Amino acid sequence: AQSVTQLDSQVPVFEEAPVELRCNYSSSVSVYLFWYVQYPNQGLQLLLKYLSGSTLVKGINGFEAEFNKSQTSFHLRKPSVHISDTAEYFCAARYNFNKFYFGSGTKLNVKP
Amino acid sequence: NAGVMQNPRHLVRRRGQEARLRCSPMKGHSHVYWYRQLPEEGLKFMVYLQKENIIDESGMPKERFSAEFPKEGPSILRIQQVVRGDSAAYFCASSTQGGNTEAFFGQGTRLTVV
Repeated sequence: AQSVTQLDSQVPVFEEAPVELRCNYSSSVSVYLFWYVQYPNQGLQLLLKYLSGSTLVKGINGFEAEFNKSQTSFHLRKPSVHISDTAEYFCAARYNFNKFYFGSGTKLNVKP
Repeated sequence: NAGVMQNPRHLVRRRGQEARLRCSPMKGHSHVYWYRQLPEEGLKFMVYLQKENIIDESGMPKERFSAEFPKEGPSILRIQQVVRGDSAAYFCASSTQGGNTEAFFGQGTRLTVV
């Protein structure tokens, strides 16, 4: 069965430090991958997406993610975080034109 | 171009009442998804609809919950005889038909059952 796993439920990090949020997906011939961010009491906003082509995908707010087919991973990274990046981040996958599968979320807490 | 519109944003119902949550997808979007988010939990898939069709309802509770996406008008998630455990944020998302597109989310409806 298709699934998305986010390995860390919470990630604390100091401001201006780098961060990586981990995501693994179940393998499929056809898969599209996404990262979303959710601020408190808000809906989800798309950060970036991998559809095909280059395995390094750049998104908004300085985030990027790398698609690794052999490891079935799609980790999200940012070289230097800001207080304003404090939010919950969701990895999602869409298989074979079907519904979107979401991970359980990672709460990023950026400390001053 | 308006985004996904959900209303109401907040809904309070007494136990046993009915809750109706509405979702208007983005213009041109024919696919609608409903998700439930409980405090400190992730997004749980409920149902996936196209116009006039339920594609996948594997996440819907067997009783009291139903969803529709009529030819005209918004998608409706209906919860009959609500219980306290139904209190949650309910998010709607929409997308176009192509698989290589993202889902766009509404701001959610926060249901509180008292």
